[in-house]
Amino acid sequence: DAGVTQSPTHLIKTRGQQVTLRCSPKSGHDTVSWYQQALGQGPQFIFQYYEEEERQRGNFPDRFSGHQFPNYSSELNVNALLLGDSALYLCASSLYGTSANTQYFGPGTRLTVL
Amino acid sequence: AQSVAQPEDQVNVAEGNPLTVKCTYSVSGNPYLFWYVQYPNRGLQFLLKYITGDNLVKGSYGFEAEFNKSQTSFHLKKPSALVSDSALYFCAVRPTFGSARQLTFGSGTQLTVLP
Repeated sequence: DAGVTQSPTHLIKTRGQQVTLRCSPKSGHDTVSWYQQALGQGPQFIFQYYEEEERQRGNFPDRFSGHQFPNYSSELNVNALLLGDSALYLCASSLYGTSANTQYFGPGTRLTVL
Repeated sequence: AQSVAQPEDQVNVAEGNPLTVKCTYSVSGNPYLFWYVQYPNRGLQFLLKYITGDNLVKGSYGFEAEFNKSQTSFHLKKPSALVSDSALYFCAVRPTFGSARQLTFGSGTQLTVLP
C-alpha cells in the first residue's frame, strides 16, 4: 500500500520565480492538506482540498494557491517567490469527515529560494 | 484559535531509561490530540492519537501518551528509550467541533537518547 508521495524531493529557485509542487495521497484517501515547515519550527497549515475545492485556508497570502485533481492528487503553486518561502513543504492525506481522522504525511519537498 | 506548547526544545535521556516529552494545548471544547515523529530530512510519521475514552493511549514503537483534561496536557512517554528513538517529536491538536480542520502543531522537541 503506497503511502503519500511528493515530488520533487528538492527544488532550488530564485526570487520572483514560480514553483509547482505535487502530491499523491495515500490509497483510499480523498483529502489533501498542505503545510509549510520552516527550519526549526513546527508545520504551519496552508490549505486543504476536498472534492477539488479549497475547503480551508491558513494564514498564507494569495501567492500560495492549489489544485486537486479528480484522482485526488494535488498541486501547490507559489508565485513571486520570496527568500522567506524557503522551507520544507509537506503534503498530508486523510479521509474527509470527522476531524478525528489521522493525517498521513509525505516525505516533503525542500524548497530553497536564492 | 487552538495552540500547542512544547516547553522543552531538547530532551536528553539515557538508553533504557523512561522518557517523557511534554505537551500542553489550548482549544475551544474537547480536543483531538496527535503525536508525530520526524527523522532528519523526512516527513512526519504518525505515532498515536487521542479521540475519546481511555486517557492512556498506546501507539507505535512502544510509545504511549496520557491525556489529562484538567491540566490540558498530552505527554508522550516510553518505558525504556532506544537510541533509535532519537528524533524530533511534534504534538498537534484539532478541535472536535467547529470549522477548523487543520492540525495545529507545537514547535517540536528534539529527543536524544544517549547510549
